[in-house]
Amino acid sequence: EDQVTQSPEALRLQEGESSSLNCSYTVSGLRGLFWYRQDPGKGPEFLFTLYSAGEEKEKERLKATLTKKESFLHITAPKPEDSATYLCAVQEGSYIPTFGRGTSLIVHP
Amino acid sequence: DAGVIQSPRHEVTEMGQEVTLRCKPISGHDYLFWYRQTMMRGLELLIYFNNNVPIDDSGMPEDRFSAKMPNASFSTLKIQPSEPRDSAVYFCASNGLAGRGNEQFFGPGTRLTVL
Repeated sequence: EDQVTQSPEALRLQEGESSSLNCSYTVSGLRGLFWYRQDPGKGPEFLFTLYSAGEEKEKERLKATLTKKESFLHITAPKPEDSATYLCAVQEGSYIPTFGRGTSLIVHP
Repeated sequence: DAGVIQSPRHEVTEMGQEVTLRCKPISGHDYLFWYRQTMMRGLELLIYFNNNVPIDDSGMPEDRFSAKMPNASFSTLKIQPSEPRDSAVYFCASNGLAGRGNEQFFGPGTRLTVL
């Protein structure tokens, strides 16, 4: 069973159409939950770290939230440049995060 | 800083050949990670080092894979002999303190194709 599950696998939006990406996890003793953005042909780039349920962080059109079982990455009024794969990773007992398979987001102009 | 540097960016080789991937972490970072990314399995941790010492290599798929970190500014991942199923993108990442919340900085990756 995967510790980190992301949904949907792929998402197509029109420019300006807000939506949310989901990351659910089954680890106990969460130390941190990370969101990364990955553009084609590049390595993942860090976006946010969340530590505890109820925490929220924002960056431009992105807002990440965390509950005891899942995290959401909300995208408000997306633009074509937000198109990328968004990866979620969780960190529990060890220092090493476990990554989900990602959500591929395409925003059409 | 130039970020994490990986070479080569692309590698095409034939089955049975030896492949060596290289990584230069960000200066001052004491943790280094090697990942493999495929469509089927996503991003998988292969091995990580702390202060040049391998800490956990449980993700290394087979004895054909080996990794070294002879000094703080250089690491290699070697596959010998290579097989077609090794085709993937290999990422190196580093961070300064693998404690709670410290993000990893990834290199651009090496796309390996084994024919």
